[in-house]
Amino acid sequence: DVKVTQSSRYLVKRTGEKVFLECVQDMDHENMFWYRQDPGLGLRLIYFSYDVKMKEKGDIPEGYSVSREKKERFSLILESASTNQTSMYLCASRETDLGLAGYNEQFFGPGTRLTVL
Amino acid sequence: GENVEQHPSTLSVQEGDSAVIKCTYSDSASNYFPWYKQELGKRPQLIIDIRSNVGEKKDQRIAVTLNKTAKHFSLHITETQPEDSAVYFCAATSLSGYSTLTFGKGTMLLVSP
Repeated sequence: DVKVTQSSRYLVKRTGEKVFLECVQDMDHENMFWYRQDPGLGLRLIYFSYDVKMKEKGDIPEGYSVSREKKERFSLILESASTNQTSMYLCASRETDLGLAGYNEQFFGPGTRLTVL
Repeated sequence: GENVEQHPSTLSVQEGDSAVIKCTYSDSASNYFPWYKQELGKRPQLIIDIRSNVGEKKDQRIAVTLNKTAKHFSLHITETQPEDSAVYFCAATSLSGYSTLTFGKGTMLLVSP
């Protein structure tokens, strides 16, 4: 029962191209996230969104932008792809925090392996 | 901001042995610590978590311990099996505002039959 989906598993683009990575969740979650995963570097947060049309920079936002026009969809945009953006990109979503009462589980998508030539 | 260090980066054990992965965090305000398992080619999935008001939590063969004073927490896997082979990530966050998880760099666990 897949709950977070990403538009592509594998993507090959050329340097300078504009790239769109799409993520859709069907759990009505307010919060959505984009990470990149590189060997030895773990999961690094690029951008996140806690509501429609809202966005916040993560730890490594340079070279990326995002769009959240609908609650279920969060897009990552590479305005001009570069070879150092070759990576695995993971989308995630979760329900809004319960504050001190708890932290809701974060669900990940299957990932998009992007290669920029 | 929060910084999470994870060790070791790779861990090889024989089937049936125990495995321990350790993480330290920097922000004393962090109070929630999940662990994710990522099998080869698959998405990370939550396997266990612990909150700062608890020192230890156990779920069958896996357990997590937390030392708030020292700011470190550990994942313990007993009686390891080949299907435990995966990359394990620790993370930390504070349950306040629009909190985000800060992840460690991951540990590749290999369990040999």
